[in-house]
Amino acid sequence: DGGITQSPKYLFRKEGQNVTLSCEQNLNHDAMYWYRQDPGQGLRLIYYSQIVNDFQKGDIAEGYSVSREKKESFPLTVTSAQKNPTAFYLCASRTTSATQETQYFGPGTRLLVL
Amino acid sequence: AQSVTQPDIHITVSEGASLELRCNYSYGATPYLFWYVQSPGQGLQLLLKYFSGDTLVQGIKGFEAEFKRSQSSFNLRKPSVHWSDAAEYFCAVGVHTGGFKTIFGAGTRLFVKA
Repeated sequence: DGGITQSPKYLFRKEGQNVTLSCEQNLNHDAMYWYRQDPGQGLRLIYYSQIVNDFQKGDIAEGYSVSREKKESFPLTVTSAQKNPTAFYLCASRTTSATQETQYFGPGTRLLVL
Repeated sequence: AQSVTQPDIHITVSEGASLELRCNYSYGATPYLFWYVQSPGQGLQLLLKYFSGDTLVQGIKGFEAEFKRSQSSFNLRKPSVHWSDAAEYFCAVGVHTGGFKTIFGAGTRLFVKA
């Protein structure tokens, strides 16, 4: 079955701690995205990557970092600089073929601060 | 700047009644338009999309949406709502600016009463 997996489903962070959220896809998609979702605010773009070894900041990149060393993987690190990390994090991917401008989403990771 | 407005934060309809969720967008060029649905604690599932051609598009689960360029709208409709349709619905516009990005509305939560 092709799809996007995110792990863990729930993640707890202590003060001053960096945590990493995993996102893996086996859809052979070139582009991958990370969004943050807060109640009543829809989805906000954190980082995106159009190709391996390249990524761009989205609208709310401060306090986050990413890497794209493999096509299948796009991990997100929530650093201690992110002062309000409690949210639902969604990963998405998209093929860059013409007329296929649709994003597909993983099941999400809920991050909570202890 | 591109934006998506969903004017209704929440809507309640009776089971079997018709449904219309409103969406307005702001984008200078021809938009890629999407409707996604999200159940609590889950990722987003694509309901339907409009890229070009027929302005009335059919999606999954009996949903349809109509693109009206003159009104910058892309409203979602369903003739008869089922209790399982209770969820949050997101309208989104895809734009090519420094790569392809999807901009989401804040969402409309649908409640279905028996």
